[in-house]
Amino acid sequence: QKEVEQNSGPLSVPEGAIASLNCTYSDRGSQSFFWYRQYSGKSPELIMSIYSNGDKEDGRFTAQLNKASQYVSLLIRDSQPSDSATYLCAVQSDSGYALNFGKGTSLLVTP
Amino acid sequence: EPEVTQTPSHQVTQMGQEVILRCVPISNHLYFYWYRQILGQKVEFLVSFYNNEISEKSEIFDDQFSVERPDGSNFTLKIRSTKLEDSAMYFCATEGTNTGELFFGEGSRLTVL
Repeated sequence: QKEVEQNSGPLSVPEGAIASLNCTYSDRGSQSFFWYRQYSGKSPELIMSIYSNGDKEDGRFTAQLNKASQYVSLLIRDSQPSDSATYLCAVQSDSGYALNFGKGTSLLVTP
Repeated sequence: EPEVTQTPSHQVTQMGQEVILRCVPISNHLYFYWYRQILGQKVEFLVSFYNNEISEKSEIFDDQFSVERPDGSNFTLKIRSTKLEDSAMYFCATEGTNTGELFFGEGSRLTVL
Protein backbone atom coordinates (compact mmCIF):
# COMPACT_ATOMS: atom_id res chain seq x y z
CA GLN A 1 0.00 0.00 0.00
CA LYS A 2 1.49 3.32 -1.08
CA GLU A 3 0.97 5.82 1.71
CA VAL A 4 1.28 9.58 1.87
CA GLU A 5 1.22 10.82 5.43
CA GLN A 6 0.51 14.29 6.71
CA ASN A 7 -0.24 15.68 10.13
CA SER A 8 -3.91 16.65 9.97
CA GLY A 9 -3.44 19.70 12.20
CA PRO A 10 -4.81 22.22 12.61
CA LEU A 11 -1.55 24.13 12.40
CA SER A 12 -2.09 27.61 13.74
CA VAL A 13 0.40 30.40 12.98
CA PRO A 14 0.16 34.16 13.46
CA GLU A 15 0.00 36.44 10.46
CA GLY A 16 3.46 37.19 9.12
CA ALA A 17 5.03 34.00 10.51
CA ILE A 18 6.45 31.04 8.61
CA ALA A 19 4.19 28.01 8.28
CA SER A 20 5.93 24.66 7.87
CA LEU A 21 4.00 21.73 6.45
CA ASN A 22 5.41 18.22 6.24
CA CYS A 23 4.70 15.07 4.29
CA THR A 24 6.23 11.60 4.15
CA TYR A 25 5.63 8.94 1.53
CA SER A 26 6.23 5.22 1.38
CA ASP A 27 6.79 4.51 -2.33
CA ARG A 28 10.50 4.79 -3.10
CA GLY A 29 9.67 4.75 -6.81
CA SER A 30 7.97 8.12 -6.52
CA GLN A 31 9.41 10.73 -8.82
CA SER A 32 7.10 13.73 -8.75
CA PHE A 33 5.78 15.63 -5.76
CA PHE A 34 3.16 18.29 -5.43
CA TRP A 35 1.50 20.61 -2.99
CA TYR A 36 -2.11 21.48 -3.61
CA ARG A 37 -4.21 23.91 -1.60
CA GLN A 38 -7.88 23.21 -0.93
CA TYR A 39 -10.19 25.78 0.57
CA SER A 40 -13.21 24.42 2.39
CA GLY A 41 -15.81 23.19 -0.08
CA LYS A 42 -13.58 23.91 -3.07
CA SER A 43 -11.41 21.89 -5.42
CA PRO A 44 -7.64 21.39 -5.05
CA GLU A 45 -5.42 24.01 -6.62
CA LEU A 46 -1.77 23.41 -7.50
CA ILE A 47 0.73 25.51 -5.55
CA MET A 48 4.08 23.86 -6.19
CA SER A 49 5.65 20.91 -7.91
CA ILE A 50 9.10 19.52 -7.15
CA TYR A 51 10.93 16.75 -8.95
CA SER A 52 14.51 16.72 -7.62
CA ASN A 53 16.16 16.84 -4.22
CA GLY A 54 16.63 20.23 -2.66
CA ASP A 55 14.63 23.42 -2.45
CA LYS A 56 12.37 25.10 -4.97
CA GLU A 57 11.12 28.59 -4.33
CA ASP A 58 8.13 30.38 -5.85
CA GLY A 59 7.23 33.67 -4.25
CA ARG A 60 6.35 33.11 -0.60
CA PHE A 61 6.36 29.34 -1.05
CA THR A 62 9.34 26.98 -0.81
CA ALA A 63 9.07 23.26 -1.42
CA GLN A 64 11.76 20.96 -0.09
CA LEU A 65 12.38 17.38 -1.18
CA ASN A 66 14.57 14.70 0.36
CA LYS A 67 14.11 11.42 -1.52
CA ALA A 68 16.50 9.51 0.74
CA SER A 69 14.31 10.35 3.74
CA GLN A 70 11.11 10.15 1.65
CA TYR A 71 10.13 13.56 2.91
CA VAL A 72 8.57 16.61 1.30
CA SER A 73 7.84 19.91 2.97
CA LEU A 74 6.27 23.24 2.16
CA LEU A 75 7.25 26.50 3.80
CA ILE A 76 4.99 29.52 3.55
CA ARG A 77 6.72 32.77 4.44
CA ASP A 78 4.88 35.87 5.62
CA SER A 79 1.71 33.84 6.16
CA GLN A 80 -1.55 35.66 5.44
CA PRO A 81 -5.09 34.91 6.67
CA SER A 82 -5.93 34.08 3.05
CA ASP A 83 -3.47 31.17 3.30
CA SER A 84 -5.84 29.46 5.73
CA ALA A 85 -6.78 26.25 3.94
CA THR A 86 -5.99 22.56 3.82
CA TYR A 87 -2.69 21.75 2.14
CA LEU A 88 -2.55 18.46 0.29
CA CYS A 89 0.66 16.62 -0.43
CA ALA A 90 0.49 14.48 -3.58
CA VAL A 91 2.94 11.98 -4.96
CA GLN A 92 3.19 10.47 -8.43
CA SER A 93 5.22 7.38 -9.19
CA ASP A 94 7.27 7.05 -12.37
CA SER A 95 5.09 4.13 -13.46
CA GLY A 96 1.75 5.79 -13.47
CA TYR A 97 -0.55 8.70 -14.03
CA ALA A 98 -2.30 8.74 -10.70
CA LEU A 99 -1.57 11.16 -7.92
CA ASN A 100 -1.68 9.67 -4.45
CA PHE A 101 -2.87 12.34 -2.03
CA GLY A 102 -2.34 12.66 1.68
CA LYS A 103 -5.27 13.57 3.92
CA GLY A 104 -4.02 17.13 4.16
CA THR A 105 -2.89 19.53 6.86
CA SER A 106 -5.29 22.24 7.93
CA LEU A 107 -3.54 25.61 8.28
CA LEU A 108 -5.05 28.51 10.19
CA VAL A 109 -3.35 31.91 9.97
CA THR A 110 -4.59 34.20 12.70
CA PRO A 111 -4.56 38.01 12.27
CA GLU B 1 -8.09 32.01 -17.52
CA PRO B 2 -8.98 28.59 -18.95
CA GLU B 3 -10.89 26.33 -16.62
CA VAL B 4 -12.30 22.85 -16.26
CA THR B 5 -16.09 22.90 -16.17
CA GLN B 6 -18.17 20.25 -14.44
CA THR B 7 -21.90 19.56 -14.45
CA PRO B 8 -24.02 19.08 -12.50
CA SER B 9 -22.70 20.84 -9.44
CA HIS B 10 -24.93 18.71 -7.23
CA GLN B 11 -26.95 15.60 -7.98
CA VAL B 12 -29.20 13.66 -5.66
CA THR B 13 -30.14 10.16 -6.75
CA GLN B 14 -31.71 7.02 -5.41
CA MET B 15 -29.60 3.95 -4.74
CA GLY B 16 -29.43 1.74 -7.82
CA GLN B 17 -29.91 4.58 -10.30
CA GLU B 18 -27.45 5.48 -13.05
CA VAL B 19 -25.59 8.76 -12.85
CA ILE B 20 -23.54 10.57 -15.47
CA LEU B 21 -21.16 13.33 -14.44
CA ARG B 22 -19.82 15.60 -17.16
CA CYS B 23 -16.62 17.53 -17.57
CA VAL B 24 -15.40 19.95 -20.22
CA PRO B 25 -11.60 19.91 -20.13
CA ILE B 26 -9.33 22.82 -20.91
CA SER B 27 -9.22 22.89 -24.71
CA ASN B 28 -5.60 21.91 -25.41
CA HIS B 29 -5.30 19.39 -22.60
CA LEU B 30 -4.79 15.74 -23.47
CA TYR B 31 -4.86 13.94 -20.12
CA PHE B 32 -8.09 13.58 -18.21
CA TYR B 33 -8.77 12.27 -14.74
CA TRP B 34 -11.55 11.59 -12.28
CA TYR B 35 -10.89 11.82 -8.57
CA ARG B 36 -13.35 11.62 -5.72
CA GLN B 37 -13.39 12.92 -2.18
CA ILE B 38 -15.73 11.48 0.41
CA LEU B 39 -16.63 14.12 2.99
CA GLY B 40 -13.79 14.55 5.47
CA GLN B 41 -11.50 12.13 3.66
CA LYS B 42 -8.63 12.37 1.24
CA VAL B 43 -8.79 12.92 -2.49
CA GLU B 44 -8.74 9.51 -4.20
CA PHE B 45 -7.75 8.66 -7.75
CA LEU B 46 -10.34 6.86 -9.84
CA VAL B 47 -9.17 6.80 -13.43
CA SER B 48 -6.96 8.44 -16.02
CA PHE B 49 -7.79 8.73 -19.72
CA TYR B 50 -5.44 9.51 -22.56
CA ASN B 51 -5.65 9.06 -26.30
CA ASN B 52 -9.24 7.87 -26.03
CA GLU B 53 -8.54 5.04 -23.66
CA ILE B 54 -8.10 4.36 -19.97
CA SER B 55 -4.43 4.64 -19.07
CA GLU B 56 -4.73 3.74 -15.39
CA LYS B 57 -7.50 2.97 -12.92
CA SER B 58 -7.72 2.36 -9.21
CA GLU B 59 -9.35 -0.46 -7.27
CA ILE B 60 -12.29 1.86 -6.65
CA PHE B 61 -12.99 2.03 -10.39
CA ASP B 62 -14.83 -1.27 -10.70
CA ASP B 63 -17.33 -2.51 -13.30
CA GLN B 64 -19.94 -0.05 -12.05
CA PHE B 65 -17.85 2.83 -13.36
CA SER B 66 -17.08 3.83 -16.93
CA VAL B 67 -15.62 6.84 -18.69
CA GLU B 68 -15.82 8.10 -22.22
CA ARG B 69 -15.22 11.15 -24.36
CA PRO B 70 -18.19 10.86 -26.68
CA ASP B 71 -17.87 14.01 -28.75
CA GLY B 72 -14.26 15.12 -28.45
CA SER B 73 -15.11 17.77 -25.88
CA ASN B 74 -17.03 16.33 -22.95
CA PHE B 75 -15.40 13.76 -20.67
CA THR B 76 -17.95 11.76 -18.71
CA LEU B 77 -18.01 9.47 -15.70
CA LYS B 78 -20.89 7.04 -15.49
CA ILE B 79 -21.88 5.10 -12.42
CA ARG B 80 -24.29 2.37 -13.51
CA SER B 81 -25.97 1.42 -10.25
CA THR B 82 -25.20 3.83 -7.47
CA LYS B 83 -24.58 2.73 -3.89
CA LEU B 84 -24.80 4.74 -0.71
CA GLU B 85 -21.01 4.69 -0.45
CA ASP B 86 -20.70 6.42 -3.83
CA SER B 87 -21.81 9.65 -2.14
CA ALA B 88 -18.85 11.98 -2.58
CA MET B 89 -17.52 15.00 -4.42
CA TYR B 90 -16.28 13.94 -7.83
CA PHE B 91 -13.55 16.05 -9.36
CA CYS B 92 -12.54 16.10 -12.99
CA ALA B 93 -8.94 17.14 -13.58
CA THR B 94 -6.98 17.71 -16.76
CA GLU B 95 -3.46 18.53 -17.87
CA GLY B 96 -1.61 19.21 -21.08
CA THR B 97 1.26 16.80 -20.47
CA ASN B 98 1.65 14.01 -17.95
CA THR B 99 3.43 16.02 -15.27
CA GLY B 100 0.95 15.71 -12.42
CA GLU B 101 0.27 19.44 -12.51
CA LEU B 102 -3.48 19.08 -12.62
CA PHE B 103 -6.21 21.63 -13.17
CA PHE B 104 -9.29 20.60 -11.19
CA GLY B 105 -12.88 21.43 -11.92
CA GLU B 106 -15.14 22.72 -9.16
CA GLY B 107 -16.55 19.26 -8.59
CA SER B 108 -19.87 17.48 -8.75
CA ARG B 109 -21.38 16.55 -5.43
CA LEU B 110 -23.20 13.24 -5.63
CA THR B 111 -25.63 12.28 -2.90
CA VAL B 112 -27.05 8.76 -3.01
CA LEU B 113 -30.15 8.15 -0.88
